[in-house]
Amino acid sequence: EDQVTQSPEALRLQEGESSSLNCSYTVSGLRGLFWYRQDPGKGPEFLFTLYSAGEEKEKERLKATLTKKESFLHITAPKPEDSATYLCAVQARNTDKLIFGTGTRLQVFP
Amino acid sequence: GAVVSQHPSWVICKSGTSVKIECRSLDFQATTMFWYRQFPKQSLMLMATSNEGSKATYEQGVEKDKFLINHASLTLSTLTVTSAHPEDSSFYICSAAVRDRGLDTIYFGEGSWLTVV
Repeated sequence: EDQVTQSPEALRLQEGESSSLNCSYTVSGLRGLFWYRQDPGKGPEFLFTLYSAGEEKEKERLKATLTKKESFLHITAPKPEDSATYLCAVQARNTDKLIFGTGTRLQVFP
Repeated sequence: GAVVSQHPSWVICKSGTSVKIECRSLDFQATTMFWYRQFPKQSLMLMATSNEGSKATYEQGVEKDKFLINHASLTLSTLTVTSAHPEDSSFYICSAAVRDRGLDTIYFGEGSWLTVV
């Protein structure tokens, strides 16, 4: 069964304190792994899609990496405005739909 | 980046009435559109997947006669909640996939809050 597990559930960081969020997955043939940011009361905001192991993508303070079993979202020198829930999802080869993890709720304090 | 727009952002309706939510891809043609429901502090729950010109595929446990999905064009999908009841009150979110050489990028709308009174 295709499955996505995110850890930790919640993360509190001091401003400037770098860290990583983990997304472990099992899927019957990976077509894509997606990272989104969601603020309360809003739809998920697209961050990255990774399609193959070894791929890396960066955007401002965020960097996403992918292996055959997991993905990391690295946050470098976070700011309070990075506080949000970060969602990871996978798309298997035989389907169009995404399977989501339960998210990591990030709080960055000044 | 690509934009997916939902309308209305929030709606209040009386119990027993129907309400329609629109989802538009503003600057791309969507291969597939999806509808989700999200409860407070929970992850997204997929309701159905729709492709232009064909019937939506509903997830197990989702009543197709209650949640009508119409995918009229490559840029528009609608979700109609029929005979709404207070338990249908929720945050509904759509997403749209754009495909390039077999690889999808999937964008989400801003979501629509439905309150049934």
